[in-house]
Amino acid sequence: DAKTTQPPSMDCAEGRAANLPCNHSTISGNEYVYWYRQIHSQGPQYIIHGLKNNETNEMASLIITEDRKSSTLILPHATLRDTAVYYCIVRARGGNQFYFGTGTSLTVIP
Amino acid sequence: GAVVSQHPSRVICKSGTSVKIECRSLDFQATTMFWYRQFPKQSLMLMATSNEGSKATYEQGVEKDKFLINHASLTLSTLTVTSAHPEDSSFYICSARRGADQETQYFGPGTRLLVL
Repeated sequence: DAKTTQPPSMDCAEGRAANLPCNHSTISGNEYVYWYRQIHSQGPQYIIHGLKNNETNEMASLIITEDRKSSTLILPHATLRDTAVYYCIVRARGGNQFYFGTGTSLTVIP
Repeated sequence: GAVVSQHPSRVICKSGTSVKIECRSLDFQATTMFWYRQFPKQSLMLMATSNEGSKATYEQGVEKDKFLINHASLTLSTLTVTSAHPEDSSFYICSARRGADQETQYFGPGTRLLVL
């Protein structure tokens, strides 16, 4: 069962930062936060993951609150190609399956 | 990132026939692969976990005799939809976990199945 809550949809202006929130209030100490995105009719694409420290890579930044009950995925300069459904998933270290929630449908507007 | 492929990308079949979908990890060995199903406008639903050299583990409500999974090598898992019916029409997606990087799963591009 999905253990995260995300807003169903968001809009973002092209070139601006897109901030996608995720609540995971029941996260346990050994669970990571993962973000994937799915562009229409494609397989999910890995974006980033973290445990408790903020993380940054070439695609995005992940900000995790100190109590780890929520996180925010930041796309610093959204482009039209970032339009997709973004999934926030929690999973224990060494755990097996990913269980997807309903995600956030992000639309980047020209 | 690691590359996972699926074949075919699209398949149309008649009701009652069986369809095989292949999932390959192209540049790494995958000790574990996963199969998901996605209906239109819905999220991905995990169907089963496939471990190389052993029987697959199915999620509750997934018929193991209908969805046959074989993980015969470290780079290939197959899903066979037996006696397909129109309600089996869906988007089937596999993912693979790389042995050396077990924290991340890499997903294939998906297979669109249409049963007439």
